[in-house]
Amino acid sequence: DTGVSQNPRHKITKRGQNVTFRCDPISEHNRLYWYRQTLGQGPEFLTYFQNEAQLEKSRLLSDRFSAERPKGSFSTLEIQRTEQGDSAMYLCASSPGLAGAYEQYFGPGTRLTVT
Amino acid sequence: GESVGLHLPTLSVQEGDNSIINCAYSNSASDYFIWYKQESGKGPQFIIDIRSNMDKRQGQRVTVLLNKTVKHLSLQIAATQPGDSAVYFCAEILVYGNKLVFGAGTILRVKS
Repeated sequence: DTGVSQNPRHKITKRGQNVTFRCDPISEHNRLYWYRQTLGQGPEFLTYFQNEAQLEKSRLLSDRFSAERPKGSFSTLEIQRTEQGDSAMYLCASSPGLAGAYEQYFGPGTRLTVT
Repeated sequence: GESVGLHLPTLSVQEGDNSIINCAYSNSASDYFIWYKQESGKGPQFIIDIRSNMDKRQGQRVTVLLNKTVKHLSLQIAATQPGDSAVYFCAEILVYGNKLVFGAGTILRVKS
């Protein structure tokens, strides 16, 4: 399967713990995006990378959130000191990054439950 | 500001009928629009896109219509099948933008 993959698919954690999610984009896609989706809502943009550079961050991305893409391939999203309000589906998407190529392809997501 | 919304939260159609899912957007600077389908437990799946310099685009069994005058987008699905049952989202990207701005979604239920 050459699509976007995310791990883990599900994560249950206690409030106050740290969690880290991983995203592997489609090979050769140089743009990678993170979104958050709560039940019944559309995904909300969190941040995006062009290769290894993080070029935009949403105001939704508090100081407890950090994302990296160290080698311009896979990316990690870490949430420190999790809160119940962090419970959501975290989606990763990638796109070719070519001029005019706006199509973003999504992974299956990581569902986070904070108890 | 940026916002994308939907007229109907749930749409029920009979198998074989045509479906029309509507979306209103408010940002006239949006340059590109996409429809996504999301099944339970899965990420959004790209269906079809349209640029702001077009008013219609057709795919396999799907057609997207864009009316920039009233800032309205619609997705037409011909001969709706049970496998079309899902949540459908419209999303937009601003000129020179990068992020997708999604609406809340419409649930499509196909009755056999």
